[in-house]
Amino acid sequence: EAQVTQNPRYLITVTGKKLTVTCSQNMNHEYMSWYRQDPGLGLRQIYYSMNVEVTDKGDVPEGYKVSRKEKRNFPLILESPSPNQTSLYFCASSLSGEQFFGPGTRLTVL
Amino acid sequence: SQQGEEDPQALSIQEGENATMNCSYKTSINNLQWYRQNSGRGLVHLILIRSNEREKHSGRLRVTLDTSKKSSSLLITASRAADTASYFCATSNAGKSTFGDGTTLTVKP
Repeated sequence: EAQVTQNPRYLITVTGKKLTVTCSQNMNHEYMSWYRQDPGLGLRQIYYSMNVEVTDKGDVPEGYKVSRKEKRNFPLILESPSPNQTSLYFCASSLSGEQFFGPGTRLTVL
Repeated sequence: SQQGEEDPQALSIQEGENATMNCSYKTSINNLQWYRQNSGRGLVHLILIRSNEREKHSGRLRVTLDTSKKSSSLLITASRAADTASYFCATSNAGKSTFGDGTTLTVKP
């Protein structure tokens, strides 16, 4: 089944404790992207990747890192999480414009 | 303010009625997409319209794009209770994607 998977789905952590949210797609898509969604708002793009080893900042990249060592995976790294990074995070992939979204990761930073 | 702003913010209609949502954006685009999101879940792609297209249909959905006005509309005809969700437009240009804040649609049975 064609899909985008994210892990973990839920995470509660403390300020400053490094964490990684994984994202994987099995559709051989070149484009992948990370978004965060806060209550009552749309998605804001954190980082995106047009292909392997190519990443670019979105609108809200501060406090986040990404890597794209292989086509299927695009992990999101929070080196030192802070409470303002509490949010719902979505990963997406795309071949020709239409984006396929993962189920989301709900992150709480205490 | 964000590129990609939906109007209205909330819409409540009766089953069977049509629902129209509008989206405005600020800069040039390659394409514009509409997505649906059920509460707290991932977004589901509905329809994509490219910058050189003016209208597109998919089932009960009709999307228009006016690049001169930098606006798009999504029409859902003969709405059903299952259409209750939030609807977002998104614009894409060279990899950067910008989503609006969405329209929350409630369809009453």
